[in-house]
Amino acid sequence: SAVISQKPSRDICQRGTSLTIQCQVDSQVTMMFWYRQQPGQSLTLIATANQGSEATYESGFVIDKFPISRPNLTFSTLTVSNMSPEDSSIYLCSVGAWDNEQFFGPGTRLTVL
Amino acid sequence: AQSVTQLDSQVPVFEEAPVELRCNYSSSVSVYLFWYVQYPNQGLQLLLKYLSGSTLVKGINGFEAEFNKSQTSFHLRKPSVHISDTAEYFCAVTPRGGGNKLTFGTGTQLKVEL
Repeated sequence: SAVISQKPSRDICQRGTSLTIQCQVDSQVTMMFWYRQQPGQSLTLIATANQGSEATYESGFVIDKFPISRPNLTFSTLTVSNMSPEDSSIYLCSVGAWDNEQFFGPGTRLTVL
Repeated sequence: AQSVTQLDSQVPVFEEAPVELRCNYSSSVSVYLFWYVQYPNQGLQLLLKYLSGSTLVKGINGFEAEFNKSQTSFHLRKPSVHISDTAEYFCAVTPRGGGNKLTFGTGTQLKVEL
């Protein structure tokens, strides 16, 4: 299994600002993902973070709003840009294992005022 | 594309009673199936998974699930629940050979009462 940490664990931000969330894994992994969990909702995949190339975004998510970096095989960042109250969510990163299992980080709880 | 339906948004149950959380999926290709649990203010933890082989899968904390291909279901069961099982449970699928991308159901809130 992989141990995943996220920073910050929670934050309260003002409308119009940006927040960068960090995801650190204790081992090298190929597949890293970012999910959003809106209040009372399920998880929705935002994008796959690819090492050495641009992230692959799911329908409804764009790079200008959610830029992602993946500088190496153990680290990724997700930025939530020009935030609005609708961006208030839990953001989770996950990593894929060889048997298609995914391990999840503890999440970043974001509140936008 | 895949979709997952969890028919019950909330399931209240008394402690030591049995419980079943229902999950149905739709996919044009073969899938792997998962159940995850999310305790309050925590991330997701894998309960169990079905990749191949026996259709009855046993997981952690006494949970089990049965894959039924003809009914495209993967219901989660526990014969006797405990207060500590109170949590949100998510069913998820990923296509075989599809690069790990998970599609989640909307979740079922299990509330165990004394």
